[in-house]
Amino acid sequence: AQSVTQPDIHITVSEGASLELRCNYSYGATPYLFWYVQSPGQGLQLLLKYFSGDTLVQGIKGFEAEFKRSQSSFNLRKPSVHWSDAAEYFCAVVLQTGANNLFFGTGTRLTVIP
Amino acid sequence: EAGVAQSPRYKIIEKRQSVAFWCNPISGHATLYWYQQILGQGPKLLIQFQNNGVVDDSQLPKDRFSAERLKGVDSTLKIQPAKLEDSAVYLCASSLVLDNEQFFGPGTRLTVL
Repeated sequence: AQSVTQPDIHITVSEGASLELRCNYSYGATPYLFWYVQSPGQGLQLLLKYFSGDTLVQGIKGFEAEFKRSQSSFNLRKPSVHWSDAAEYFCAVVLQTGANNLFFGTGTRLTVIP
Repeated sequence: EAGVAQSPRYKIIEKRQSVAFWCNPISGHATLYWYQQILGQGPKLLIQFQNNGVVDDSQLPKDRFSAERLKGVDSTLKIQPAKLEDSAVYLCASSLVLDNEQFFGPGTRLTVL
């Protein structure tokens, strides 16, 4: 079955430490890939997206993600986490055929400790 | 540029009651989406409009949920009658065209008692 998997429900990191959030997808072809962030009481904000080309994608707020076709992964990284990065992070895909429907993973909640 | 507006932000109702949510997309955005986000899960698409026509409503529970986008701008999502399992955040999003970046509103948090 087609799916988006975020294996980590909750991650805690110290401020200033590096961060990697995992995302795997299971589709017949490479979909369009996205990372969104959701702060408490806020809507979803797009961090970055991958459609094609360079597999290392730069986003806003110092985030980057790397697409690895062989592993069907699109992991999100940040070299140094700030307290304001505490939020819920969602990986999402859009199938390249059909309507522009986003399929989301279940999310990873990030806690940042001082 | 104003973002996607939604109202109300919070709503508490008894089961079997009716409720409606309103969404005003970003000006000029042709495509509008309604998502349901149950606690602990990622958002799930309920319905997608292109202007005032429905593109995809395959995940919409049509026995109790309805949505419309008259004049291709604002949209309303209605639940009638509500069930306990409808407790969720209802997110509206819009995009310039069908295959463009989606911008999300702050959501409406619905609690059904």
